[in-house]
Amino acid sequence: KNQVEQSPQSLIILEGKNCTLQCNYTVSPFSNLRWYKQDTGRGPVSLTIMTFSENTKSNGRYTATLDADTKQSSLHITASQLSDSASYICVVSDRGSTLGRLYFGRGTQLTVWP
Amino acid sequence: EADIYQTPRYLVIGTGKKITLECSQTMGHDKMYWYQQDPGMELHLIHYSYGVNSTEKGDLSSESTVSRIRTEHFPLTLESARPSHTSQYLCASSTGNFFGNEQYFGPGTRLTVT
Repeated sequence: KNQVEQSPQSLIILEGKNCTLQCNYTVSPFSNLRWYKQDTGRGPVSLTIMTFSENTKSNGRYTATLDADTKQSSLHITASQLSDSASYICVVSDRGSTLGRLYFGRGTQLTVWP
Repeated sequence: EADIYQTPRYLVIGTGKKITLECSQTMGHDKMYWYQQDPGMELHLIHYSYGVNSTEKGDLSSESTVSRIRTEHFPLTLESARPSHTSQYLCASSTGNFFGNEQYFGPGTRLTVT
């Protein structure tokens, strides 16, 4: 069964600290993996996208990694800011059909305290 | 920021009422989607559209219906609202013929049925 599991479910860190969020998936055949940021009361916004051949992608203070062999991805946030408080969602797409399909994780709720 | 809009942002309505959630985008995207999201849970695709006059049901069964008469407009209708319809509804759009392409999300409509 194709699934996307994220950990931890929630995380609290102090402003300025670093953190790493995890995503494990069983989706096959794999096409790409995106990390989305969803602020409270808003829609998700794409942070990074990674395909099978990529193992690191950065977007400012956000760095995503992908290990396609172990089917694991991580999102590292450096020097956290209060505005980083949000839900971070891992989304994996497959290529099982022409259109593909998306599989969503439940997200990690990050809270950054001053 | 994505040019995709949803109205209303919040709606509290009584059981049995008919409601329409509006979604419009100004990016000229041919693909549009409706997702349902409960707190702490993953997004579930309930409807999508390839383009004008095209609508398909998603992975999660829903009593709602959609229409796509204009490229920029993708409204969702509930003929008779029930408390089980209480949820957040997110609209999204994208280009290309692959679900794994980046989807741009609206801010969502939080629906409460009493």
